[in-house]
Amino acid sequence: QKEVEQNSGPLSVPEGAIASLNCTYSDRGSQSFFWYRQYSGKSPELIMFIYSNGDKEDGRFTAQLNKASQYVSLLIRDSQPSDSATYLCAVNKGDSNYQLIWGAGTKLIIKP
Amino acid sequence: DTAVSQTPKYLVTQMGNDKSIKCEQNLGHDTMYWYKQDSKKFLKIMFSYNNKELIINETVPNRFSPKSPDKAHLNLHINSLELGDSAVYFCASSQDRGGIYGYTFGSGTRLTVV
Repeated sequence: QKEVEQNSGPLSVPEGAIASLNCTYSDRGSQSFFWYRQYSGKSPELIMFIYSNGDKEDGRFTAQLNKASQYVSLLIRDSQPSDSATYLCAVNKGDSNYQLIWGAGTKLIIKP
Repeated sequence: DTAVSQTPKYLVTQMGNDKSIKCEQNLGHDTMYWYKQDSKKFLKIMFSYNNKELIINETVPNRFSPKSPDKAHLNLHINSLELGDSAVYFCASSQDRGGIYGYTFGSGTRLTVV
């Protein structure tokens, strides 16, 4: 089992709809969870981080964390074509606060 | 005014050569990283420095040697380049050694070994 798993996609969502991206992790000791967006040929950029169970909202983005089930998700409301990118989930290693483990990313395509 | 800048952006070189990639951050962050992103898009940590101290040294060939002259700079030197070294290398920085507020990445260096 991979340490951080994401569906590689592509996930196709119509413009204006809600895009739902999921990530599962294997290390029960993990405490910090991050979502990054990476446009093709560009570097990753931080969208959100979440540490506590529940929801965290920032504009059109909502991160959801469920530590008992070991998953973290990202919802994008009112999806725009500019949201088309690869979304990377990153989780800190439970035995080390200094290291992140990255998923391979989900490619999201927003169709006009 | 680029926050994390890497040079060069592209690097094409022959097997066996030695090359360096430079990184500088002007964010005042304490910690800097080198990541490798392969063709499958996995990001793998290679090294991390906190205030010039090496804190993460993952299992990478010893042909790769990082150097941090000060906390704003982290360079990567690669000896005897191999075909398998072809990848995109990202420099990143964070406010603290845990990166709890996330990382800021440089624009990447696409290394192609022929």
